[in-house]
Amino acid sequence: AQSVTQPDIHITVSEGASLELRCNYSYGATPYLFWYVQSPGQGLQLLLKYFSGDTLVQGIKGFEAEFKRSQSSFNLRKPSVHWSDAAEYFCAVAPSGGYQKVTFGTGTKLQVIP
Amino acid sequence: DAGVTQSPTHLIKTRGQQVTLRCSPKSGHDTVSWYQQALGQGPQFIFQYYEEEERQRGNFPDRFSGHQYPNYSSELNVNALLLGDSALYLCASSKDFEPEKLFFGSGTQLSVL
Repeated sequence: AQSVTQPDIHITVSEGASLELRCNYSYGATPYLFWYVQSPGQGLQLLLKYFSGDTLVQGIKGFEAEFKRSQSSFNLRKPSVHWSDAAEYFCAVAPSGGYQKVTFGTGTKLQVIP
Repeated sequence: DAGVTQSPTHLIKTRGQQVTLRCSPKSGHDTVSWYQQALGQGPQFIFQYYEEEERQRGNFPDRFSGHQYPNYSSELNVNALLLGDSALYLCASSKDFEPEKLFFGSGTQLSVL
């Protein structure tokens, strides 16, 4: 069964600092990988996705993520965080070849301080 | 173009009651999935509907049931509510099972007292 681990429940960074959110997945083959963001009381917005090809993927709002097969990781990065990036971030995995169901991690809550 | 719309936005019920949540998918989408997001947790897959049939189901009891109508809108029904059913219920729609076209609604916050 597929699973996702986000080891950091809560992260605090200063505005303008760089950010890296960790994600490890478990799946028998190469899955589809996603990062979503959720603001309080809101649904989920897709930041970026990886299906195949270039292992460094670019997303919206200046985010990027790198797929590392050897480490079963898909970490999310941003070079300079803005106060508006404060939200909860979810890594997710789905079977490749057409999704059956998307499995989410438990999320990382990002706090941005001045 | 409206995205995924869910109703109601908030709901309060008591234990043992039944509840129906509604979802209208994004225009052009034919697949609807439901997720339960408990406080402090990631969303958990409940089930998925396509062509008015339940195609996939997660690890949820039979108290959770659903329906999809010919216009692709969907309902989630929960019977015999438990305190533990309190959560944000998210609906997501897509076209032809394509994950890159998965759009989420803002959810229905269900509180069971």
